[in-house]
Amino acid sequence: DAGVIQSPRHEVTEMGQEVTLRCKPISGHDYLFWYRQTMMRGLELLIYFNNNVPIDDSGMPEDRFSAKMPNASFSTLKIQPSEPRDSAVYFCASSFGGGVSYNEQFFGPGTRLTVL
Amino acid sequence: AQSVTQLDSQVPVFEEAPVELRCNYSSSVSVYLFWYVQYPNQGLQLLLKYLSGSTLVKGINGFEAEFNKSQTSFHLRKPSVHISDTAEYFCAVKNYGGSQGNLIFGKGTKLSVKP
Repeated sequence: DAGVIQSPRHEVTEMGQEVTLRCKPISGHDYLFWYRQTMMRGLELLIYFNNNVPIDDSGMPEDRFSAKMPNASFSTLKIQPSEPRDSAVYFCASSFGGGVSYNEQFFGPGTRLTVL
Repeated sequence: AQSVTQLDSQVPVFEEAPVELRCNYSSSVSVYLFWYVQYPNQGLQLLLKYLSGSTLVKGINGFEAEFNKSQTSFHLRKPSVHISDTAEYFCAVKNYGGSQGNLIFGKGTKLSVKP
């Protein structure tokens, strides 16, 4: 089992540029989560999907942020245009719902984004 | 809405000493509780969880935690730490019946184990 795969692991870009982060969840998992981690705010949920459908995007900070899940094995988080305050580590996580109230979320290694 | 407070942002400790990382939560309903660990440059991984039943929960790497409903706490303990336990530890809470996305994390505690 390869676990949750994220790419790139590191991204350095200039303010105003478009940034696309990618995630491949664990096969068979039906939930996918995008988190952002910063020193100031800790770990925040941005958006999550169930069966490829966005369920809650209330954590997405601004319209500059968008996320898609075109199929069960791929998701993207896009920032356009990027700003220095978007610098953070972005994590993708996945889980299998199984009809119970909680199941363990498995995290990817994260993408460290630096916006200059 | 639920919330999590990790009382210590950093905990330095010597190798083979015991350690306790504190976590308090706030919620108006029953909760599930979790501890995650994040090693440098890695994602979070589940250390242990309390869903129901026995209030003393044992996890991986010799860690355990005790759920105390009256004190709304879920402190993490290890009787003897190793250098390899150096990491950041996150407490998290989820309400019973809440959505799958309703997992709230604390700000984290950095455990630094010194030789």
